[in-house]
This record gives sequence, C-alpha cells and structure tokens, in this order.
Amino acid sequence: KNEVEQSPQNLTAQEGEFITINCSYSVGISALHWLQQHPGGGIVSLFMLSSGKKKHGRLIATINIQEKHSSLHITASHPRDSAVYICAGTLNTGNQFYFGTGTSLTVIP
Amino acid sequence: NAGVTQTPKFRVLKTGQSMTLLCAQDMNHEYMYWYRQDPGMGLRLIHYSVGEGTTAKGEVPDGYNVSRLKKQNFLLGLESAAPSQTSVYFCASSYGNQGLRWNTEAFFGQGTRLTVV
Repeated sequence: KNEVEQSPQNLTAQEGEFITINCSYSVGISALHWLQQHPGGGIVSLFMLSSGKKKHGRLIATINIQEKHSSLHITASHPRDSAVYICAGTLNTGNQFYFGTGTSLTVIP
Repeated sequence: NAGVTQTPKFRVLKTGQSMTLLCAQDMNHEYMYWYRQDPGMGLRLIHYSVGEGTTAKGEVPDGYNVSRLKKQNFLLGLESAAPSQTSVYFCASSYGNQGLRWNTEAFFGQGTRLTVV
C-alpha cells in the first residue's frame, strides 16, 4: 500500500471547469507538496504547505492535518493546465519524500 | 538562475555499460536526492545526501552508487547497466534543516531519460 494515495488517476475536463485533485496520506508528515509535471518535462513545485490553505493565481491547495487529506483546486481551467499533478509528503526528518502516483489532467478547449 | 541542472538529458546504454549522471544545483542546498520515475509508480528514492561528503540509501539503491564530493554536485553512477534500469531519473535538492526549521521545498531537474538495451 502506498503511503500517499491520489485520486483520480486520470481526469479530463472542459476548458473553464473547476477541477479538484485529492491526496490522502497514511504517514505522519511535516509538509505536503503539490508538484506539476508537463509531458516530457521536468517537475515543478507548486505548493508546500503544512496547514490551512495556499493560493497562487488560479491554483488553490488545502490541507486537513487531522484527516490526513489535501486537495488541489484549479479554477477556470485552461488547456495549458494539462499536466500530471503529484502530491508528496515529507517526514519531520526532512530526508524522505513519499510520492503519490500522480493525476494526469487533460483540459480540452 | 539555473536551479537544478541534470546532464545528460537522454542516453541509450547497452547492458553492462557504465555511466554517470550529474546533478548540479546553485542554491546552496544541503539536501540532494536521486529518484527514478517509472510508469504507474510514484517517484522512488534511489539515494540521497544530507550534506557534502555524505550519502545514504533510499528505497531502491541496488545497482546504483552516488557521490557528493562537492556541495553543489550529486553524481549517480550505474556500474553495469541492466534493462530494469530503463527509467526517467530526476535529481532534486532542498535546503534541509535551517536551524530549528525544516525547509523542504524541493527543486527538481529536468530529468534524464535512460534506456538500457
């Protein structure tokens, strides 16, 4: 069983739709990360959060420590948002990341 | 502002050949990591380093060796490549422990696509 589970695995949306990607984890973590990976490209860190909510442009990330759950929301989705979104948790020691398998998002014009 | 740079970006090896992947970061990060990414699986940690001159095994270390002779560089070596090592390899770095506060925001390289035939 993976320590970090994401859902859905694949997601197709129409341009303009509101998108939610979920992440649940079973280990005790000090921080939760959301990463973005474009096809054939590198991995970019979107958010790192340990409580509450963070917003950057059309992206919003929330975390509920008690429920061990985080969500990534994309408002007014656009085809350029098409990518794989990965959540990862880091332990208190900071030397271990636990990665989810990713959610592949396709936004259709 | 280069961030994390991996070389090479692509490589094809024959079984049994050796090679070294280079990761360089210019952010003065203490922590550096090597991961492999395979279809349907999350990123898996191969080896990591918590500072210059130190290395440690991750989840899937077999068949790989690493060295961190300089703080900014983390090398991943394959002594005798096998087809099972066909993968995309990512290097990452982070600040680590800044005093009492952990800063684990990770910065990733562009990846190295390795094929072993």
